[in-house]
Amino acid sequence: TQLLEQSPQFLSIQEGENLTVYCNSSSVFSSLQWYRQEPGEGPVLLVTVVTGGEVKKLKRLTFQFGDARKDSSLHITAAQPGDTGLYLCAGASGGSNYKLTFGKGTLLTVNP
Amino acid sequence: DTAVSQTPKYLVTQMGNDKSIKCEQNLGHDTMYWYKQDSKKFLKIMFSYNNKELIINETVPNRFSPKSPDKAHLNLHINSLELGDSAVYFCASSQAGQGRNYGYTFGSGTRLTVV
Repeated sequence: TQLLEQSPQFLSIQEGENLTVYCNSSSVFSSLQWYRQEPGEGPVLLVTVVTGGEVKKLKRLTFQFGDARKDSSLHITAAQPGDTGLYLCAGASGGSNYKLTFGKGTLLTVNP
Repeated sequence: DTAVSQTPKYLVTQMGNDKSIKCEQNLGHDTMYWYKQDSKKFLKIMFSYNNKELIINETVPNRFSPKSPDKAHLNLHINSLELGDSAVYFCASSQAGQGRNYGYTFGSGTRLTVV
């Protein structure tokens, strides 16, 4: 069974601060995705990283895939209250595109 | 609107009852999924269908039976509901062979409460 460990589990910060969320595994993934989930809604895809060492930017969010494709990080610069939500990483493995394994999520609260 | 829609949004029922959750997607995807999110927000896959064919069944009790009448629909029927079935159930879809790169589109969930 492939596991994705996310840390921290909870994060409460003030508006304007920077933060980093980590997603780690002992398994290699062919791609890794980050989702954000708001209360009462389903997860929404933020980004997919495929190549080891890849870095993608989405406005104030920076995503990195580890060189060995076993880990990833999400960095948010100058967090805003609108960034509040549950951040989930999910890995696709092997030749199967049909199954994503999710981490347990990081619940981020950005206080005004 | 293009989306994955599931009904009902909320479902409260007594132990032992049988209930169904419906899911439809109009994205033209050919792969659909059911995920269960527990009280700690952990998302775990239950089933996956590709073009109406079951391809993933993750050790889910036999009381759960998915049905896919066509590639745009995937319903979930649950027999003899138990307290432990209380959770949020999410339907999702992706394009086969592209889920790796383009991710899943999720519905907004069905909160099932068994009392």
